This record gives sequence, structure tokens and C-alpha cells, in this order.
Amino acid sequence: AQSVTQLGSHVSVSEGALVLLRCNYSSSVPPYLFWYVQYPNQGLQLLLKYTTGATLVKGINGFEAEFKKSETSFHLTKPSAHMSDAAEYFCAVTGAGDDKIIFGKGTRLHILP
Amino acid sequence: DTAVSQTPKYLVTQMGNDKSIKCEQNLGHDTMYWYKQDSKKFLKIMFSYNNKELIINETVPNRFSPKSPDKAHLNLHINSLELGDSAVYFCASSQGQGYTGELFFGEGSRLTVL
Repeated sequence: AQSVTQLGSHVSVSEGALVLLRCNYSSSVPPYLFWYVQYPNQGLQLLLKYTTGATLVKGINGFEAEFKKSETSFHLTKPSAHMSDAAEYFCAVTGAGDDKIIFGKGTRLHILP
Repeated sequence: DTAVSQTPKYLVTQMGNDKSIKCEQNLGHDTMYWYKQDSKKFLKIMFSYNNKELIINETVPNRFSPKSPDKAHLNLHINSLELGDSAVYFCASSQGQGYTGELFFGEGSRLTVL
């Protein structure tokens, strides 16, 4: 069974500062990990994903995440926050052969001017 | 052209009524899903269909009945609505049953039960 924990339901950063959103997972099989973003009144869209191979994955809008098996983490980062990054971010996990994806409870990212 | 479209976008109704939400995807995907997002933004899968066959049926009251007339459409009918059914319902699609691919979400249907 898989689960995912997102640390911090709200994170505030200043425009131009580093964004770090934390995600830890639990999985009994090699995990596939995802970050999704939800802008207000919209559906979720995929930012990036890790399945196999390179542990540092790059996504859209300058975001990246690193899969660290030893720490069971998949934290999302962006070097410089932009006002347009304000949104809800969801970490998600599944495993090879699984038929469903488990979402975290989300982290609301606030960008301060 | 919207990839995954849901109608209606907003639903306001009284307790005890029956309502339906429709979903269509034009991506050629073979798997479609219904997710429920509560007021705290928690996202939970309800159902998934692969080529019109039900493959996931989570612990959802049987007042909720999905129907997939073809692989491009997945509808959700809810009988005897209750206050706790108020939420945003998202339709999504993907290619294949596995989750190595990407989920494409619709914009959601916000249901308010009074």
C-alpha cells in the first residue's frame, strides 16, 4: 500500500525566493511519484513525474524534484518564486502494476510581493 | 478544444434530489476516473473505467452510480443527495490503467447541496 505526506498545508515565500514543498512517501513497491498543481477554480495538471532512471526530474514552469529513496522523499523546488506560482500543489504516489494513484492533502503556496 | 470537459460546472440543489454530471474526453484515452475533492482540498478517487469496464469502485455510497456509454464518456449520477455530498467532482482520463502516465483533469463540477 502507498501513502504520501505533505509537510505544511500552507507555505509562504517572497517573490524571487526559493520554493521548497516537502513530500514524503511510503510504498511497498518501487514508487512512481508525481507533483500536480491546481490553480484556483481549475483541475489539476501534471508538473513532473518520476518513474525510473534519473532521480532529479525537471518539470514545467521551472520546477524540479529529486527522488531520494533513502529519505523516502520527493521534495519540489523552484529557485525563484513568481507570483503566478501561487496555487495548490499535490504530491502523489503509485506503484508499478497499481491501478490507482494516492494524492497527498496538498500544500497551498502563497507568494508574497 | 478542451481535452476533458465536464458539465455542468456548478450545481446547486436541495437535499433528496437526484443530479448528474457528464464528462467527455477527446484525447483518445481508454481510462477515465471520477475524483471527489472536499472543502479541505483532499482528493479521493471514486471510480475508474477502462474501455467502459469498471475497474475501481472505492467505498462510495451506492447512491453514486457511474456510467460509461463509450470510452470517451463517463457520467456520474447521484441519487438522494445529502449535505455531505457537497464537493467538487473532477473527471480525469489517462492512457492505460497504470499510472506511469499522466492524468488529465477536467475543470471540476462544484456541487452544493442545501
